[in-house]
Amino acid sequence: QKEVEQNSGPLSVPEGAIASLNCTYSDRGSQSFFWYRQYSGKSPELIMSIYSNGDKEDGRFTAQLNKASQYVSLLIRDSQPSDSATYLCAVNGVPGNQFYFGTGTSLTVIP
Amino acid sequence: EPEVTQTPSHQVTQMGQEVILRCVPISNHLYFYWYRQILGQKVEFLVSFYNNEISEKSEIFDDQFSVERPDGSNFTLKIRSTKLEDSAMYFCASIPADGYQETQYFGPGTRLLVL
Repeated sequence: QKEVEQNSGPLSVPEGAIASLNCTYSDRGSQSFFWYRQYSGKSPELIMSIYSNGDKEDGRFTAQLNKASQYVSLLIRDSQPSDSATYLCAVNGVPGNQFYFGTGTSLTVIP
Repeated sequence: EPEVTQTPSHQVTQMGQEVILRCVPISNHLYFYWYRQILGQKVEFLVSFYNNEISEKSEIFDDQFSVERPDGSNFTLKIRSTKLEDSAMYFCASIPADGYQETQYFGPGTRLLVL
């Protein structure tokens, strides 16, 4: 069974703060890890992908991967009210490259 | 920028009826996926499709479901004899090729309501 676990939140941070989102996964064979953002009633929208251990930065977003601990995180710096959404962690399955999603963490950025 | 499109955006049907959800993947993509998301729950993998056949399917994808690529552009999900618990958002996704670093691009979804 391929499990992806996230804290469901809600997570509230003040505008300008750092939001930290965490994800663990069960399948050691997974090689690709993704963070998506989802607004209510909308489809998942890709934020970042990460494939190697360590940090990957893209603008205000930093993804961190630790395969030994089976742990992925997303940091959002200088959080903005527009960042308020549900953040989904996705892990690929092998074979087939289908995605397994966590339940998502609801983030609210308070102005 | 190319996008995955889905029709209809909303579908209301009576329990026991058949529905067909349609997707047009990005034109040069080769692998296609269907996911569903029951309200308030996580996005769940249903099926993947490549070279005109199913490559992987989840335990959710039982005999009630079928997929087809009837022409060079459309990718369809058919649900026979719908049940109340089939009410969900259904997302189509596609990738160019089967690489583990391939990002899946999601369509806007079809909201299915079974009454």
